[in-house]
Amino acid sequence: SQQGEEDPQALSIQEGENATMNCSYKTSINNLQWYRQNSGRGLVHLILIRSNEREKHSGRLRVTLDTSKKSSSLLITASRAADTASYFCAKDDMRFGAGTRLTVKP
Amino acid sequence: GAGVSQTPSNKVTEKGKYVELRCDPISGHTALYWYRQSLGQGPEFLIYFQGTGAADDSGLPNDRFFAVRPEGSVSTLKIQRTERGDSAVYLCASSLESGTAYEQYFGPGTRLTVT
Repeated sequence: SQQGEEDPQALSIQEGENATMNCSYKTSINNLQWYRQNSGRGLVHLILIRSNEREKHSGRLRVTLDTSKKSSSLLITASRAADTASYFCAKDDMRFGAGTRLTVKP
Repeated sequence: GAGVSQTPSNKVTEKGKYVELRCDPISGHTALYWYRQSLGQGPEFLIYFQGTGAADDSGLPNDRFFAVRPEGSVSTLKIQRTERGDSAVYLCASSLESGTAYEQYFGPGTRLTVT
């Protein structure tokens, strides 16, 4: 079963806007990872957040983790057309959800 | 350095045939993962190896699927009596160690088409 479930399933925004996508999970975790997959390309690791961390930043990416709600969110600020991709979360068992398909319009 | 490589990049086979898909992980990575991905879906976990042993094969859909990693490096995913439903992109990933404390590096995938 897929333990990392992302929402929304799809998100369309204008360049320059912020994009927020969420990941929920069912059992306690030690770590959670976010990945990006551009159309026709492989998955690329974006960021890892540990269970004892609440927020982590990497460039225009901000990830938060709320272990009490068993959820994480990925915020992309000042989006660019190149951010158009599918975004997935994965937790300890390395199962992925169906992902959020983000479209950033120029 | 070289990333994860997978061969072939594309494979077309007839229903009922046997196929082997190969994954060359990053040198020194002890963990190796296999996933398959259908269009519009997330990667579906199949199996992962820590070293030479299969640490978790609970994602293999049935006994037609088998994977090996005899020397703890290269891995081969084997599919017997292929069915049209096996058509997907098969992804391989490796990491320094197993678990999400370590970043996974994914290969470009093998696109399998069963006709």
